[in-house]
Amino acid sequence: EAQVTQNPRYLITVTGKKLTVTCSQNMNHEYMSWYRQDPGLGLRQIYYSMNVEVTDKGDVPEGYKVSRKEKRNFPLILESPSPNQTSLYFCASSSRGQDNSPLHFGNGTRLTVT
Amino acid sequence: GNSVTQMEGPVTLSEEAFLTINCTYTATGYPSLFWYVQYPGEGLQLLLKATKADDKGSNKGFEATYRKETTSFHLEKGSVQVSDSAVYFCALRAGSGAGSYQLTFGKGTKLSVIP
Repeated sequence: EAQVTQNPRYLITVTGKKLTVTCSQNMNHEYMSWYRQDPGLGLRQIYYSMNVEVTDKGDVPEGYKVSRKEKRNFPLILESPSPNQTSLYFCASSSRGQDNSPLHFGNGTRLTVT
Repeated sequence: GNSVTQMEGPVTLSEEAFLTINCTYTATGYPSLFWYVQYPGEGLQLLLKATKADDKGSNKGFEATYRKETTSFHLEKGSVQVSDSAVYFCALRAGSGAGSYQLTFGKGTKLSVIP
C-alpha cells in the first residue's frame, strides 16, 4: 500500500532534549516536506526537499533541521525543543515538487514540549 | 507573497444541505489551486484541483471553479452527508520559479454535518 509513515504518533518531551521524528515513503517520490499545524494558523511549511541531498527552508524553519540522505526518508530533527514547538506535525511527499501531482500526507505526530 | 484566505469556521449544516466554503487567493503569475480535506485523526488528502483559469475540479460530489477575475476557488457541494464532516483546506502552488515548490495553505474550515 502506498503510504507516508511517521513515527512516533505522539511524543511528550522536555525543553532542550533533542528528538527526531521519522518520515518514510514507499512511493519513490522525489519531493518531501514537513509542515506544522496550529489552531488558527493552518499548515505552515518547515522544510522541503526536492531530491536526495537537496533541501530548502520553508516558512518557519527556525529551531528545526532536516536531512535527506536516502530518497525514502526525511527525518525532522529538533536539536533543543522549546514549548513553542508544541504542535501537530505532518510529513508529505509527491512525485515531483513542481508539477501538480497530489501531496500524500502521513497521519501526523503530536508533539508536546514541557 | 502568495496567500490564501478562506472563510472562518466552524460551519454546521444539516444533512442534505447545500455547502459553500469560500476561498480567495493572492499570487503572482498563474497558480494552480487545490482543495484538501482532513478527516479526524488523519493527514490531509487531495479532494480536487484546477490548474488554469475557468477549470472546474470535481470529486465525490464536490466542485470548485478557478475564477481568475475574482481570484477565487470556492468549494461547493449540493447535498452534504454526515461523512463529509472534516476540515477543508484551500491551497495554491505558484506557477513558476522557486515558490512553485511550495504549497501555500489557508487556515482551514471545519465542517460538521448533523443528521
